[in-house]
Amino acid sequence: GAVVSQHPSRVICKSGTSVKIECRSLDFQATTMFWYRQFPKQSLMLMATSNEGSKATYEQGVEKDKFLINHASLTLSTLTVTSAHPEDSSFYICSARGGGIYGYTFGSGTRLTVV
Amino acid sequence: QQQVKQSPQSLIVQKGGISIINCAYENTAFDYFPWYQQFPGKGPALLIAIRPDVSEKKEGRFTISFNKSAKQFSLHIMDSQPGDSATYFCAASIETSGSRLTFGEGTQLTVNP
Repeated sequence: GAVVSQHPSRVICKSGTSVKIECRSLDFQATTMFWYRQFPKQSLMLMATSNEGSKATYEQGVEKDKFLINHASLTLSTLTVTSAHPEDSSFYICSARGGGIYGYTFGSGTRLTVV
Repeated sequence: QQQVKQSPQSLIVQKGGISIINCAYENTAFDYFPWYQQFPGKGPALLIAIRPDVSEKKEGRFTISFNKSAKQFSLHIMDSQPGDSATYFCAASIETSGSRLTFGEGTQLTVNP
């Protein structure tokens, strides 16, 4: 089956620093990748959609200069949280779509804590 | 029109019982309806999915019932087990256009031993 690998699973960073989260599709080519943010006991909130080789499309209210998304290849997308602040602490999840029978496959998530 | 409404918010079931979670949608263009299971600290995992050309799909203890005219679909978990305790999300998308998933609010299921 389709597998999406997301790293790191947990990260703690100091306020003002940047952190990069990687999302890789291991056995299929991901034409589209989605990045979500999830607060405790809430649903997934879509942050942005990216297609390989194109600029990401951000949802309303999501700061594109703060959450940098790169989708340089069909198997890798990265989310960089720049100048992180404590309010950026959250659970970030990527999802990749490769078409066919694969549908939407989710990564295991990254718990970001900004101190 | 993009919303998917999910109920109940939380559900407690005894081991061996049936868990039922319901979702309703508005956008008739939706053509893909998956259910995801999420354990704490993990990403959602696809449980079962249905397309609108069928009214029911069963995989093991999990069944999706789909009512196109009512724009509703539901997840039934038969013989619920403590290991099924998790958060369940319904979702919908226009798969033919590769669009985003629209998620329901989630249901926290607890199965008591």
